[in-house]
Amino acid sequence: EDQVTQSPEALRLQEGESSSLNCSYTVSGLRGLFWYRQDPGKGPEFLFTLYSAGEEKEKERLKATLTKKESFLHITAPKPEDSATYLCAVQDNTGGFKTIFGAGTRLFVKA
Amino acid sequence: KAGVTQTPRYLIKTRGQQVTLSCSPISGHRSVSWYQQTPGQGLQFLFEYFSETQRNKGNFPGRFSGRQFSNSRSEMNVSTLELGDSALYLCASKEMNTEAFFGQGTRLTVV
Repeated sequence: EDQVTQSPEALRLQEGESSSLNCSYTVSGLRGLFWYRQDPGKGPEFLFTLYSAGEEKEKERLKATLTKKESFLHITAPKPEDSATYLCAVQDNTGGFKTIFGAGTRLFVKA
Repeated sequence: KAGVTQTPRYLIKTRGQQVTLSCSPISGHRSVSWYQQTPGQGLQFLFEYFSETQRNKGNFPGRFSGRQFSNSRSEMNVSTLELGDSALYLCASKEMNTEAFFGQGTRLTVV
């Protein structure tokens, strides 16, 4: 069964303190891995799609990487406005292309 | 392009009642998925519709149902509401096998 595990559950950083969020996955056949950002009471906002091991994507202070078993979301010199929940999701390549989400990592960045 | 639109944004219902939520996808997107989000369980997949057909279904009781119309708009219905159904219900639309884009959600409170 497809499974997505994110760690840590919560992460508290000082402004400027770089760190990484982890997403481990088990899927029969990976079609794509997605990262989203979610602010309280709002719908998730799409960040990145990664398709194959070794792929990297960057956007401002965020960089996502992918291996055969996990993905990392690196946050460089974070700012308080980066505080949010970051969700990882995988889509399998079997019939139906179901998307499964992890529980998320709550990031708090203090000024 | 207009984003995914969910209505209503907030809803309060009494136990035993039923409720219908609506989702208008991004123009051109034929796939619509529904998720339930609660603090304890994270994003739980309900079902996905593609071209008016249910393509995938999560592990929810039969009280949860949905449908999709020819214009790709989708509705989700929950019958015989229980207190535990209180949650943020999110709708996401996508093209064939790409990343999904979410609406702002409907906050359902069952009292």
